[in-house]
Amino acid sequence: GENVEQHPSTLSVQEGDSAVIKCTYSDSASNYFPWYKQELGKRPQLIIDIRSNVGEKKDQRIAVTLNKTAKHFSLHITETQPEDSAVYFCAARAQYGGYNKLIFGAGTRLAVHP
Amino acid sequence: NAGVTQTPKFRVLKTGQSMTLLCAQDMNHEYMYWYRQDPGMGLRLIHYSVGEGTTAKGEVPDGYNVSRLKKQNFLLGLESAAPSQTSVYFCASRNHRGGDTEAFFGQGTRLTVV
Repeated sequence: GENVEQHPSTLSVQEGDSAVIKCTYSDSASNYFPWYKQELGKRPQLIIDIRSNVGEKKDQRIAVTLNKTAKHFSLHITETQPEDSAVYFCAARAQYGGYNKLIFGAGTRLAVHP
Repeated sequence: NAGVTQTPKFRVLKTGQSMTLLCAQDMNHEYMYWYRQDPGMGLRLIHYSVGEGTTAKGEVPDGYNVSRLKKQNFLLGLESAAPSQTSVYFCASRNHRGGDTEAFFGQGTRLTVV
């Protein structure tokens, strides 16, 4: 089955700096890679996703890159702001037959200091 | 449009007691998932369903059972609760139409087993 590893577990940056979170996955059948943000005491919410036929995707200050050969994908946040402080989860989804698991990494706690 | 609603929000159980967590979605989604969230371990998939009347095991299914008798509801049961099942439980649903889609999460259920 799929295994998703996420690094680092905690990340502390100064406001305005960039933050990078990296994930690796094991199932070569995985073809969809979303990123979720969870603020303290709240539910996870999708912030960006990427499909296996795309190498990079950007949405304002957020970008995700995917290397299918190496089975890793990364989240990049530029010009970080205090409101970016949260736990970020990567995930990988493989779909075949009746199998449709969405497996998450362990999460990265990002702290952005003013 | 309520999205994904979990019942109850909080619960304290004694070891050996049983309970059922209810997840209800009003978005006509095919896929539904149950996760548990523990510190440092991210979101781990317990069971999932790809449609009414279907269920499948996730990463950590032991000690839990599920049922999807109606498309809009996904029930998670604990037959004999153990302290190791103390966790925050999240339900999520996704629409399979149109390819890869966002998973919408419920607000979570904080369960303590004493």
